[in-house]
Amino acid sequence: GAVVSQHPSRVICKSGTSVKIECRSLDFQATTMFWYRQFPKQSLMLMATSNEGSKATYEQGVEKDKFLINHASLTLSTLTVTSAHPEDSSFYICSARVGTIQETQYFGPGTRLLVL
Amino acid sequence: KQEVTQIPAALSVPEGENLVLNCSFTDSAIYNLQWFRQDPGKGLTSLLLIQSSQREQTSGRLNASLDKSSGRSTLYIAASQPGDSATYLCAVGDSSYKLIFGSGTRLLVRP
Repeated sequence: GAVVSQHPSRVICKSGTSVKIECRSLDFQATTMFWYRQFPKQSLMLMATSNEGSKATYEQGVEKDKFLINHASLTLSTLTVTSAHPEDSSFYICSARVGTIQETQYFGPGTRLLVL
Repeated sequence: KQEVTQIPAALSVPEGENLVLNCSFTDSAIYNLQWFRQDPGKGLTSLLLIQSSQREQTSGRLNASLDKSSGRSTLYIAASQPGDSATYLCAVGDSSYKLIFGSGTRLLVRP
């Protein structure tokens, strides 16, 4: 089946620094990638939709200048949390959509971010 | 605005029991509905996807049904096993392929 990887799996950083998270589709080309955030014991909340070669579309309430998304190729999307603060600590998960009839999304293993 | 609710929030059953997880959504104009499994600290594994024109999907011991008109879906797990312990998430998809997730049901299957 389709595999999506994320790197790093876990990151701890100081407040004020920027953190980049990569999402890769390993064995397929992803038409669209999505970025989600999950706080402890809560469900996934969609942050933004990323299409290759175009600007990301952000959900209401998500600051586009804080969460920079770059989708440089059909297999790679990056999320950069700029000037991270403790309230940004969360589990960030990406997914990639394969444009088949089933229209399923394949999810990465997630990145745990802890901002001190 | 689409809202997805899952009941119960948590469930503990002895091994071997059949069980049903419930999912409801407020807007019936959905493109599809998916059930996922999430293990602690891990990503999501897709279990079943039901297109809006379908009524149910089956995979092994899992069966998911969809009733669009009433805004409901159920996930039936037959002969539960301790390895089924996880959080089960329901998500509805719209025509722009966005997924709106429910808050999940935490399942514990006791040996």
